[in-house]
Amino acid sequence: GAVVSQHPSRVICKSGTSVKIECRSLDFQATTMFWYRQFPKQSLMLMATSNEGSKATYEQGVEKDKFLINHASLTLSTLTVTSAHPEDSSFYICSAQRGTTSDYGYTFGSGTRLTVV
Amino acid sequence: DAKTTQPTSMDCAEGRAANLPCNHSTISGNEYVYWYRQIHSQGPQYIIHGLKNNETNEMASLIITEDRKSSTLILPHATLRDTAVYYCIVRVLGSARQLTFGSGTQLTVLP
Repeated sequence: GAVVSQHPSRVICKSGTSVKIECRSLDFQATTMFWYRQFPKQSLMLMATSNEGSKATYEQGVEKDKFLINHASLTLSTLTVTSAHPEDSSFYICSAQRGTTSDYGYTFGSGTRLTVV
Repeated sequence: DAKTTQPTSMDCAEGRAANLPCNHSTISGNEYVYWYRQIHSQGPQYIIHGLKNNETNEMASLIITEDRKSSTLILPHATLRDTAVYYCIVRVLGSARQLTFGSGTQLTVLP
């Protein structure tokens, strides 16, 4: 149980275009999802916290108008990278919390490798 | 969440036990120790967690010192597929806040 599906796994886009990444909790409802970004040889850095039915909370330094997050249902959160530039190339990972008392903490998606050319 | 300190990298021979240490000297009484790992180009994977008693599951064992200021993750029979970055994270059980990742330990299992 507690599976998070993330799509696409890899995407290459042209500079200036937008890319949408989906994160779905397959067998549980996730009121909160988190989006991380990871650059090569670095650790995961939290970008934003996505709450179902409300606006996302962004970490300091993350442009909310560039990284649009929508959490319209208890099983789906999307991250849209708008007007992508080469410096946005990174590994994006979502995670979901299965309730607030889960012994297993958080479940992570498999990640999306974004390359902007 | 309490800060953790882990070695940057470790090597382990295939088939041998891998012992990954973590220091968390500022851990609070209600904070648990969690271990996750990240295989290259994948999302992190939950391994195990514990409060003060030693824990074991099908993946690993977690040994927490009596003063709870440090812990060791043990992979009893490491395989090449265990090569990954291992993260030790301290947090309150059930917290709604995000997981905060440090730099972790790069474990390389050698054939």
